[in-house]
Amino acid sequence: GQQLNQSPQSMFIQEGEDVSMNCTSSSIFNTWLWYKQDPGEGPVLLIALYKAGELTSNGRLTAQFGITRKDSFLNISASIPSDVGIYFCAGQEGSGGSNYKLTFGKGTLLTVNP
Amino acid sequence: DTAVSQTPKYLVTQMGNDKSIKCEQNLGHDTMYWYKQDSKKFLKIMFSYNNKELIINETVPNRFSPKSPDKAHLNLHINSLELGDSAVYFCASSQSRVGEQYFGPGTRLTVT
Repeated sequence: GQQLNQSPQSMFIQEGEDVSMNCTSSSIFNTWLWYKQDPGEGPVLLIALYKAGELTSNGRLTAQFGITRKDSFLNISASIPSDVGIYFCAGQEGSGGSNYKLTFGKGTLLTVNP
Repeated sequence: DTAVSQTPKYLVTQMGNDKSIKCEQNLGHDTMYWYKQDSKKFLKIMFSYNNKELIINETVPNRFSPKSPDKAHLNLHINSLELGDSAVYFCASSQSRVGEQYFGPGTRLTVT
């Protein structure tokens, strides 16, 4: 099955710094999604990407769908304390059968020091 | 208005018991999912229903049985609960089989 490598596993940064995390896949995806999970809550969708090369922003967040369709990155600019949480990438082949399933990365735990 | 809701939020039970978790979405989506998140926060798909038809059934013990009475509801019944079933279970929904999935708040199941 597909494997998603998400890095880094954790990050400790100062408030105001920029953050970058990425995911690479062993197979091609047609959709990349980025989620954030706060403690005790469900994952919340941040950005959805549907085309190779696509660059999409949501406030201070920017994500890109890699040209090879095997990778994606998420940048957070000017981090603030409420950015703390676990960020997950997820990819979907979307070509039929169980390929519709989302495969999740193992998450990046972000800690922001005020 | 809550988009994807689950009940209960917490479930503590003993080994061998049978329990159910309920999920409802008011987004008008036609596809719903159950995910399991383990203690290391790894999220894994268990089941997916599209228009009440089971379309994804990952390698999950037979003790887990999903049921979708209609497009807006997806329940998960677990028989003969085991210690290893302790986890957070998330329901999610999407407009179609492809694309953005929206998650519920989760049900934390603890088996003692």
